Amino acid sequence: DAGVTQSPTHLIKTRGQQVTLRCSPKSGHDTVSWYQQVLGQGPQFIFQYYEKEERGRGNFPDRFSARQFPNYSSELNVNALLLGDSALYLCASSPGEGGRELFFGEGSRLTVL
Amino acid sequence: SQKIEQNSEALNIQEGKTATLTCNYTNYSPAYLQWYRQDPGRGPVFLLLIRENEKEKRKERLKVTFDTTLKQSLFHITASQPADSATYLCALSGTYKYIFGTGTRLKVLA
Repeated sequence: DAGVTQSPTHLIKTRGQQVTLRCSPKSGHDTVSWYQQVLGQGPQFIFQYYEKEERGRGNFPDRFSARQFPNYSSELNVNALLLGDSALYLCASSPGEGGRELFFGEGSRLTVL
Repeated sequence: SQKIEQNSEALNIQEGKTATLTCNYTNYSPAYLQWYRQDPGRGPVFLLLIRENEKEKRKERLKVTFDTTLKQSLFHITASQPADSATYLCALSGTYKYIFGTGTRLKVLA
């Protein structure tokens, strides 16, 4: 049973570029959420998607967007990258909506130069 | 604004002792409180979830308490082992929202 998978694992971008990160949830899970984690901090909630609709949003600018596909996989897009966007981006899935336990992937490490 | 506080200093304990980690929060009434373990460079791993109407939850060597009056959770690892060394994250969740603490780094000394 595959867990949550994310791609790419590492990537380097320059300021102003755009990035797309991908996530496949754990089998049987229909809710996906995204988090940003900078070194020494806890994960910061960005989005939660359920049934292809955005159900929750953290305090992130409109440069951040996401979507969920019919197979429950998800993409996170970040436009106009800033140096401060350098972080580990984590995807998590859960069974159903409603604040339940999260199963995380290993993350995508983004470095913005 | 909603805030979670975990002891940002590392906690060092001797093998075999009980480790106790604290999570305090303000300005929030979560439906759930959760604890995760995170190893360096890895994604967090779910450990335990406790509901707002529960006082205590146990799983093997782990125990979580939840006091909604004090707005505090305690996380205990009994008979600690060097393999328990990691960062432990506390998280509050409602229907469409998750708030994580900064984590407490635990080191179990052999």
